[in-house]
Amino acid sequence: EAQVTQNPRYLITVTGKKLTVTCSQNMNHEYMSWYRQDPGLGLRQIYYSMNVEVTDKGDVPEGYKVSRKEKRNFPLILESPSPNQTSLYFCASSFRTGSYEQYFGPGTRLTVT
Amino acid sequence: LAKTTQPISMDSYEGQEVNITCSHNNIATNDYITWYQQFPSQGPRFIIQGYKTKVTNEVASLFIPADRKSSTLSLPRVSLSDTAVYYCLVIDGGSQGNLIFGKGTKLSVKP
Repeated sequence: EAQVTQNPRYLITVTGKKLTVTCSQNMNHEYMSWYRQDPGLGLRQIYYSMNVEVTDKGDVPEGYKVSRKEKRNFPLILESPSPNQTSLYFCASSFRTGSYEQYFGPGTRLTVT
Repeated sequence: LAKTTQPISMDSYEGQEVNITCSHNNIATNDYITWYQQFPSQGPRFIIQGYKTKVTNEVASLFIPADRKSSTLSLPRVSLSDTAVYYCLVIDGGSQGNLIFGKGTKLSVKP
């Protein structure tokens, strides 16, 4: 089944404890992206990757890191999480940059205390 | 990147047709218009895309006037299950990777 998977789905952590949210797609997509969603603010793009080893900042990249060493994986790293990074995170992928149809993962709900 | 403007919310009743309009005044020649639907706690789902005139699929229709400065998503005969947030995006068909979803339009369908 073609899909985007994210792990973990739920995470509660403490300020400053490094964490990684994994994202994987099995559709051989070139483009992958991370978003966060907060009440009243809609979806905001954090980082995106147009291909392996090619990443760039979205609208809200501060406090996040990403890497794209393999085509299928695009992990989101929070080196020192803070409470303002409490949010619902979505990973997405599409065939290529500029494709109109993105496939979204199920989301990861992160709480930082 | 073309900025989009949509109503924050809309209400409707079951069986009615719903039209959600999105403004994108600075749309570029290479850009096309897409719409996504999102249910609570789920990732957005692609609904429809178009470049100009009218596009129809099994879910919705998309109307784009000649100047392409706006677009209208039309949902025929909505049901309670169409209650969701709808996002209008303008996507550069070239090499622009930055995507802006915005806040979307929250559609509430009542019985």
